Amino acid sequence: AQSVTQPDIHITVSEGASLELRCNYSYGATPYLFWYVQSPGQGLQLLLKYFSGDTLVQGIKGFEAEFKRSQSSFNLRKPSVHWSDAAEYFCAVAARGGNKLTFGTGTQLKVEL
Amino acid sequence: ETGVTQTPRHLVMGMTNKKSLKCEQHLGHNAMYWYKQSAKKPLELMFVYSLEERVENNSVPSRFSPECPNSSHLFLHLHTLQPEDSALYLCASSQEGAGANVLTFGAGSRLTVL
Repeated sequence: AQSVTQPDIHITVSEGASLELRCNYSYGATPYLFWYVQSPGQGLQLLLKYFSGDTLVQGIKGFEAEFKRSQSSFNLRKPSVHWSDAAEYFCAVAARGGNKLTFGTGTQLKVEL
Repeated sequence: ETGVTQTPRHLVMGMTNKKSLKCEQHLGHNAMYWYKQSAKKPLELMFVYSLEERVENNSVPSRFSPECPNSSHLFLHLHTLQPEDSALYLCASSQEGAGANVLTFGAGSRLTVL
C-alpha cells in the first residue's frame, strides 16, 4: 500500500527566508506526486504536481518541488516566503493513472513578520 | 458559480438527527469524491463516484450514505452520527480518462456532532 510521510508537523520561518517542506513516500513504482495547500476555513488548492519528465516542477505562488527517486522524496521549496504563505501543506501520492490520493498528515507553516 | 461548491459550510447536529451535505461541481468533471479531514490525521477517502456509479467505499459506516444523482451533484446523507464523526468533510471532483487525474476540492463542510 502506498503511504506518505511528512515528518514536520509545524515549521516557523521568517518572512523573506527560504522554505523547504519534506515529503517521503512509499510506493512500489514511481507514483504521481502532488502538493496541496489549505488556508484556514478553505479546501485544498493544488500547488504543483509531478507525473513524469523533468524532476524539478514549478507550481503556483512561486513554489517548486523536486522528485528524487533514490530518496523517495518530493520536497517542496520556496526561495522567499511571504506572510500570506502561512497555511497547512499536504503532500499526496497516487498510483499512475489512478484516482485515489493518499495524503500525508500535513505541515503547518507559520510565517513570522 | 465556479469550481466545487459545498453547502452548508457549517453544520451542528445531534446524534439522532438526519442531515445532508451537498456538493456541486461546475467544471464538467465526471468523477466526484468525499474525503473526511480530522485533526492530526491524514485525509481519509470515503467514497468515489465515477460516471455516477459508486466505485469506491472505504469501509465507511452505514450511518454515512452517499448519493450521486448526476455528474454535477454529490450528497452525503448523515444519520445517527457519533461525536467522533465531527470533522471537515471535503468534496472533490476530477476528469477521469484524461490522463493524469487531478482533484479539485471544495471549501468543505465543518460538521459538529453533539
